[in-house]
Amino acid sequence: SQQGEEDPQALSIQEGENATMNCSYKTSINNLQWYRQNSGRGLVHLILIRSNEREKHSGRLRVTLDTSKKSSSLLITASRAADTASYFCATDYVSNTGNQFYFGTGTSLTVIP
Amino acid sequence: DARVTQTPRHKVTEMGQEVTMRCQPILGHNTVFWYRQTMMQGLELLAYFRNRAPLDDSGMPKDRFSAEMPDATLATLKIQPSEPRDSAVYFCASGWGHEAFFGQGTRLTVV
Repeated sequence: SQQGEEDPQALSIQEGENATMNCSYKTSINNLQWYRQNSGRGLVHLILIRSNEREKHSGRLRVTLDTSKKSSSLLITASRAADTASYFCATDYVSNTGNQFYFGTGTSLTVIP
Repeated sequence: DARVTQTPRHKVTEMGQEVTMRCQPILGHNTVFWYRQTMMQGLELLAYFRNRAPLDDSGMPKDRFSAEMPDATLATLKIQPSEPRDSAVYFCASGWGHEAFFGQGTRLTVV
């Protein structure tokens, strides 16, 4: 399976704290993306980091990528109750049929007001 | 506001019945994905189309599942016959390049 793994599986923090989620994957990639899924909804794209980048920021999000360790982390700073959701990493894996996206197992984040 | 539209949103069916799920990708996107999400397996890639051609459906049980794109505005996923283990949320996503836009999903329950 090309699926990645994320840890922790679940994370509960107080509003205002930072949340860190990690993702590990198995194959060489073009890029890695993070998505958010609110309960009962589809996934929403958050941020993309290319394989030649090491760190990327977008608002309160900070993503790092270590291709030597095949891992990435997502940091959400100054968390809010509205950040409560599941977060998935997706690796953009190149096969002989083109780009394919494989998702990790997800981290369920609960931000307590 | 462009979005991927999936129908139906919910489907309850009896074991053995045929189920058809539909997806309208975002206009102009050349890639369509079908994913299945369950608590046990997470998000599994079932099938993948580029420019309407099926490129990879290795994640799909071939004996009962089929995916097609009869035209650029419609992708379908069929299960025949359905089984209780097919109960899941099925997501369609479309994209152009490196980002996938997801529909709201079809929640399928097979009893």
